[in-house]
Amino acid sequence: VQLVESGGGLEQPGGSLRLSCVASGFTFSHYAMSWVRQGPGKGLEWVSGISGNGGLTFYADSVKGRFIISRDNSDNTLYLQIRSLRDEDTAIYYCAKQSDYNYGPFDYWGQGALVTVSS
Amino acid sequence: ERMLTQSPATLSVSPGETVTFSCRASQTISRNLAWYQQKPGQPPRFLISGASTRATGVPAKFSGSGSGTEFTLTIDSLQSEDFAVYFCQQYHIWPHTFGQGTKLEI
Repeated sequence: VQLVESGGGLEQPGGSLRLSCVASGFTFSHYAMSWVRQGPGKGLEWVSGISGNGGLTFYADSVKGRFIISRDNSDNTLYLQIRSLRDEDTAIYYCAKQSDYNYGPFDYWGQGALVTVSS
Repeated sequence: ERMLTQSPATLSVSPGETVTFSCRASQTISRNLAWYQQKPGQPPRFLISGASTRATGVPAKFSGSGSGTEFTLTIDSLQSEDFAVYFCQQYHIWPHTFGQGTKLEI
């Protein structure tokens, strides 16, 4: 199993970006996926999750209305669209595979993509 | 939303000792609890699911227990590579919240 995130970088407050996570080594469409972030020196914060077929999506209250999770099962890719960036969105964003189709613990993690929000 | 509270925030122990962490849920989560280990500069490592089932490759020195709202993670015979931050997470209901972590230090 391998998860490789991309799309991070330095963005200004109010800006947008899209994170991608390319998965390999397992049948991507059979598993739920999530994004988890970790601010500088902070703990883990679950941000968003999506079921195996993409029909169910879930968001933390802190990002609801600004983040959109999606997946392309034909390309084995998970996405996170982030809009109206805020300083507090600065974090490493991890892509994580869940152990089941609709939920479950996070059994594999990517190395993370760093997002820095600053003017 | 199910809140998870981990205690203590930091635990100072010596190599060779046994340590136990606590994770408490604000409402019942049955046994839908996982534990992760994170070392500096690395992503979290999956240790335990179902409150007590070790992930593939995780040594028997790591053991979890509990159900409902009270959970523990025990690590026997601490070695240098065990010093890290440990997080619990519930996947009983969305959002799949994490505890704030317990830092295990020498």
